[in-house]
Amino acid sequence: DTGVSQDPRHKITKRGQNVTFRCDPISEHNRLYWYRQTLGQGPEFLTYFQNEAQLEKSRLLSDRFSAERPKGSFSTLEIQRTEQGDSAMYLCASSSFPPGGDTEAFFGQGTRLTVV
Amino acid sequence: GEDVEQSLFLSVREGDSSVINCTYTDSSSTYLYWYKQEPGAGLQLLTYIFSNMDMKQDQRLTVLLNKKDKHLSLRIADTQTGDSAIYFCAEIPNDYKLSFGAGTTVTVRA
Repeated sequence: DTGVSQDPRHKITKRGQNVTFRCDPISEHNRLYWYRQTLGQGPEFLTYFQNEAQLEKSRLLSDRFSAERPKGSFSTLEIQRTEQGDSAMYLCASSSFPPGGDTEAFFGQGTRLTVV
Repeated sequence: GEDVEQSLFLSVREGDSSVINCTYTDSSSTYLYWYKQEPGAGLQLLTYIFSNMDMKQDQRLTVLLNKKDKHLSLRIADTQTGDSAIYFCAEIPNDYKLSFGAGTTVTVRA
C-alpha cells in the first residue's frame, strides 16, 4: 500500500462544467475525509465517511457538491456547475476508527482545481 | 481553522532553532498534531502528542503541550533549508475530525 492517492493531481475546467475527483485511501482505513485548502489557509473540513456512510457534511459543502464512497473503499467528490470560487486544493485523508496505536490521518497529494 | 490559531510567519537563520506556537480551543482534544506542507504538496505528518503528555521528542523535533492554557509548540533544532515549509497545527476532538490552524510559513535563511 503506497498511501492515499488522489486523481487527478491537477484539473483546469471552465466555469459551469462539472468535475469529479477520486481518492483511494489506505486499504485498512475505515475513515475517509475530504478537505479544501485555499491559498494561505489551512485545510477546511468538507465531509467524512466511516466505511460507506457519510457521517458529516460541512456548511461549506453547498448543493453543488456531492461525495460518495459506495463500497467503503475509494471515494469521489463531484462539483457541479463549477464557479471560480471553487478553485482550491482538494485534499483527501484516511484514518482508522476507533483509533488504536495508529491514530494519524494520512493525506494524499491533493487535487488542485482551477476554474477559469 | 477558527478553533486553532497560529502565527502566520517565522523567519529563522539556518542552524538556529525554530519555535512554532499554536493555541487550540477544544479541551476534549485527545491528540494534537503537527503537519508539514511543502509547496504544491499534500500534508505530511511530522509528529503528534497525546493529551496526557507534556512533551514529546523525536530527533530534531520537540513538542510541548500546556493543556491548561491549550497551547502547543513545535521546536525544530538545527533548522535546515529543507525545513522551509508551512507547518499546521491540528487537533482531534472527540468526533475524531481533524481541525487545522491557518499554518505558519517558516522561511530558513542562510
